[in-house]
Amino acid sequence: NAGVTQTPKFRILKIGQSMTLQCTQDMNHNYMYWYRQDPGMGLKLIYYSVGAGITDKGEVPNGYNVSRSTTEDFPLRLELAAPSQTSVYFCASSSREGAVTEAFFGQGTRLTVV
Amino acid sequence: DQQVKQNSPSLSVQEGRISILNCDYTNSMFDYFLWYKKYPAEGPTFLISISSIKDKNEDGRFTVFLNKSAKHLSLHIVPSQPGDSAVYFCAASEDGNQFYFGTGTSLTVIP
Repeated sequence: NAGVTQTPKFRILKIGQSMTLQCTQDMNHNYMYWYRQDPGMGLKLIYYSVGAGITDKGEVPNGYNVSRSTTEDFPLRLELAAPSQTSVYFCASSSREGAVTEAFFGQGTRLTVV
Repeated sequence: DQQVKQNSPSLSVQEGRISILNCDYTNSMFDYFLWYKKYPAEGPTFLISISSIKDKNEDGRFTVFLNKSAKHLSLHIVPSQPGDSAVYFCAASEDGNQFYFGTGTSLTVIP
């Protein structure tokens, strides 16, 4: 029952460093999402994908890149880390089989940029 | 320019009583609405949803009400239980893909 798995759980980056946040799901969901949650705020959509090979920008895409080469994996890339990217990142997936379908979330990656 | 607002950051309720969590939105094009529950250090988990063709959806102890003319939805939990203590987020979307989340309401159910 893995569901959505994110790695790492915690990371500290220095300004200007790069890293990839990994996300994999084993539910064969077509739809996958990356959100960030800043302290005291709601989740904001960074990027999403409706299937392998297709990605779209969300509300706050600047400073991030994604790729979707397989149904299972949806990594999020930070190229030049900035303090404003300090946040908790959540990956989610959904089957979208109905009009309003729930998304299943991973446990999150807490990223600090210093 | 927060499109979805939860104006109560916190709420305390006695066990067995009703909890009412409120959510307002500004975009009249939103057609899909969800409530998520979040425990510390975990990802959100889905609770209940509603689409704009309905004004009420019920699932056990949880009921969501939608008032489209007022751009308002609410989540009712009755009876409230200590295990319901968590942060509750409402989310809204036009297309079912790009969801806008509120800032959350922290519910404490007092035994």
